[in-house]
Amino acid sequence: EIVLTQSPGTLSLSPGERATLSCRASQSVINRYLAWYQQKPGQAPRLLIYGVSTRATGIPDRFSGSGSGTDFTLTISRLEPEDFAVYHCHQYESPPWTFGQGTKVEVK
Amino acid sequence: QLQLQESGPGLVQPSETLFLTCTVSGGSVSSGTYYWAWIRQPPGNGLEWIGSIFYDGRTYYNLSLKTRATVSIDMSKNQFSVRLDSVTAADTAVYYCATSGNQHHLYYFDNWGQGTLVTVSS
Repeated sequence: EIVLTQSPGTLSLSPGERATLSCRASQSVINRYLAWYQQKPGQAPRLLIYGVSTRATGIPDRFSGSGSGTDFTLTISRLEPEDFAVYHCHQYESPPWTFGQGTKVEVK
Repeated sequence: QLQLQESGPGLVQPSETLFLTCTVSGGSVSSGTYYWAWIRQPPGNGLEWIGSIFYDGRTYYNLSLKTRATVSIDMSKNQFSVRLDSVTAADTAVYYCATSGNQHHLYYFDNWGQGTLVTVSS
């Protein structure tokens, strides 16, 4: 099973700042089958990024994904008020499909 | 626009069986376009994939649930379901139904239901 470890657990930033979230895999995600989701309180996760770096339909370009092998990053270039949420990474490289424990981006 | 809606009891007794249904609208469970999946999230914790089913009956499970989980499909009702046997308090979670694509590079979860909280308690 591929274990995903996200860091930091909580990121305290102000609107307009840049957010950098990390997701490290216990094995190489060689085919780049890695996705990111945003989850707000009381809501289901929403797909942001798939294939490491492809934005899902309707996702603004301030969200970007990068990385390879075992280290992946979600970057939010300038935080908008609606971006404060929990972010999950997910690998669909090898079953069982697994998720990281989440990074909470909170208002500083 | 594909929409998913979970339904089922919010409270289940320990050692009993949890059974949830996902009703699909805006698409057909028999189309072969999607895998139909169940994912859960214990309070304050991360997401856990439970299992997925394809329209032809093929199923795939997270073996961490030790065969307690069964996912099924009902084409006549355009629904799919999850059954979890012998539940304990550790099965308390928000349960989501979701879809993923039908090829490996599409196996991310692109449509989600709103989720339903199931509490296991006597």
